[in-house]
Amino acid sequence: AQKVTQAQTEISVVEKEDVTLDCVYETRDTTYYLFWYKQPPSGELVFLIRRNSFDEQNEISGRYSWNFQKSTSSFNFTITASQVVDSAVYFCALTGGDSNYQLIWGAGTKLIIKP
Amino acid sequence: NAGVTQTPKFRVLKTGQSMTLLCAQDMNHEYMYWYRQDPGMGLRLIHYSVGEGTTAKGEVPDGYNVSRLKKQNFLLGLESAAPSQTSVYFCASSGTGGRVDRWTQYFGPGTRLLVL
Repeated sequence: AQKVTQAQTEISVVEKEDVTLDCVYETRDTTYYLFWYKQPPSGELVFLIRRNSFDEQNEISGRYSWNFQKSTSSFNFTITASQVVDSAVYFCALTGGDSNYQLIWGAGTKLIIKP
Repeated sequence: NAGVTQTPKFRVLKTGQSMTLLCAQDMNHEYMYWYRQDPGMGLRLIHYSVGEGTTAKGEVPDGYNVSRLKKQNFLLGLESAAPSQTSVYFCASSGTGGRVDRWTQYFGPGTRLLVL
């Protein structure tokens, strides 16, 4: 069975600090995809990144970076020099297999950036 | 290009009433999904569709029905609303492969439903 665990329920940091959100997943599929979504206080779900299981390159997009490690089944998300606008709930999700398009979601991590 | 839209944005129902939530996408996506989100939880899949005229059950389908008569629309129905169905409902869609990113789901803004 597939499972996504976000052990950090809530994180609070002061603006400009770096923060890492953890995501650990379980799957038996050899091909799978991992995602991060952001849900700001306004409530919409914003797609941030997709990572394929066969591509372990880390990715950086501005202040955001993602560390994918198959050896530890983790897909962690780091925000560098956090800003108040980064305050949101962040979800990690997993899907896999050619016939399986369903996303399995973690419970989310609420990130609070204090000014 | 509006992406994924949902109607209505907010609704209050009395127990036993029925309603239909409408989801529309203009990205020509084959796949569409209905999720519910309860406080402190991730999203749970209610039903999904892999193409026009097809639907399938997700993780929590009881009390809901769906229809996909047109490729761009996916309707979620509650025949007899219950307080346990108070939630935020999200619709999503994804492509079918090839040049289209079939794995990434794009979400609508959500519908807040309160059942009294």
